Amino acid sequence: AQTVTQSQPEMSVQEAETVTLSCTYDTSESDYYLFWYKQPPSRQMILVIRQEAYKQQNATENRFSVNFQKAAKSFSLKISDSQLGDAAMYFCAYMAWDMRFGAGTRLTVKP
Amino acid sequence: KAGVTQTPRYLIKTRGQQVTLSCSPISGHRSVSWYQQTPGQGLQFLFEYFSETQRNKGNFPGRFSGRQFSNSRSEMNVSTLELGDSALYLCASSDGGRDNSPLHFGNGTRLTVT
Repeated sequence: AQTVTQSQPEMSVQEAETVTLSCTYDTSESDYYLFWYKQPPSRQMILVIRQEAYKQQNATENRFSVNFQKAAKSFSLKISDSQLGDAAMYFCAYMAWDMRFGAGTRLTVKP
Repeated sequence: KAGVTQTPRYLIKTRGQQVTLSCSPISGHRSVSWYQQTPGQGLQFLFEYFSETQRNKGNFPGRFSGRQFSNSRSEMNVSTLELGDSALYLCASSDGGRDNSPLHFGNGTRLTVT
């Protein structure tokens, strides 16, 4: 079974600072995809960043980047220059044949 | 392009009733998947439909069912509602390919069972 673990239920960061959200996963598949989704109070899940497991290069999307360690099955999200609008629940997700989500990390951004 | 549309946004039902939720995917998307989100269990995969066929199914009882129409719109039905079915139900669409096809989510339907 594939499981996704987010060990940080809550995180806090000062505006303009950098924060890293952790995610580990368990799988026996060799080909899969990893995602970070953001869920603000509006409830809509928004794709933040994605990573193909076969790519060694870490994905980057503006202020968001990942540290993908395939051997360690680790997929952390780094948010640089945090903004108030980044406050949300962040879900790490794994996809091989269906999507599995972690429990989420609630990120608070302090002004 | 319009996003994923879920209706209704809120629903209140009583135990034993049944409910049908609707999801209209992004135009051109052929895959629709459904998720249940609760504070205790988090996001759990219900099922996925692709070209009117159920392609994947999560670990939910048979009271939870779905279908997809030829225009890719999908409905999810829950029969004999239980209090524990109270949740946010999210629908997501994608083009259905296995090659890193990200999900696009709707705003969800908040179901309350009393």
